[in-house]
Amino acid sequence: QVQLQESGPGLVKPSGTLSLTCAVHGGSISSTNWWSWVRQPPGKGLEWIGEIYHSGSANYNPSLKSRVTISVDKSKNQFSLKLSSVTAADTAVYYCARVRGPTVTTRTFDIWGQGTMVTVSS
Amino acid sequence: QSVLTQPPSVSGAPGQRVTISCTGSSSNIGAGYDVHWYQRLPGTAPKFLISGNNNRPSGVPDRFSGSKSGTSASLAITGLQAEDEADYYCQSYDSSLSGSKVFGTGTKVTVL
Repeated sequence: QVQLQESGPGLVKPSGTLSLTCAVHGGSISSTNWWSWVRQPPGKGLEWIGEIYHSGSANYNPSLKSRVTISVDKSKNQFSLKLSSVTAADTAVYYCARVRGPTVTTRTFDIWGQGTMVTVSS
Repeated sequence: QSVLTQPPSVSGAPGQRVTISCTGSSSNIGAGYDVHWYQRLPGTAPKFLISGNNNRPSGVPDRFSGSKSGTSASLAITGLQAEDEADYYCQSYDSSLSGSKVFGTGTKVTVL
């Protein structure tokens, strides 16, 4: 059974860069799945950040695209998120998730990590 | 931010049927794209509940079912149980946002 585990600093300074890693356990990141980041600010709904395939091909939420980079490290079976120029509005619980399905319009987030809280504050 | 609108809350007594609506537009649900549903129990990560073609992962009871019509979708929970008290989110694909995946605003289900 595939399990995902997020890790990274829980506190980031304003204007800094948020960096998180998601380790994939019990399966290969090189399988025919996409791997994604989703966040949830306190008291708000879920927001898709972006996704990556093991080839390195990535898609991003247009509202965050200028600040986001998602990368994959097949040797470590993990993928990572970098979000630059953060502000308090980026304070959220960040989840990594596996995206599974035959086509881009039918894929689902079928496995989620437990989430990690990141606070942007000086 | 969310392009899919859900009611903030719904409630029902144990055993009742409740439905959660998810309203979108012609660039997502109305374009025929699948709508998937997720359940987030208090203090836990979201869990995949049901896909657009009504496939449920192993362990999800058939009390949960999904439907879609026009620019809206619905999640129905029949035989409501105390363990169903959670937040529920719909999710789809939006062609007007460079192929973004979009989530609903979320609905809190309370079992009375």
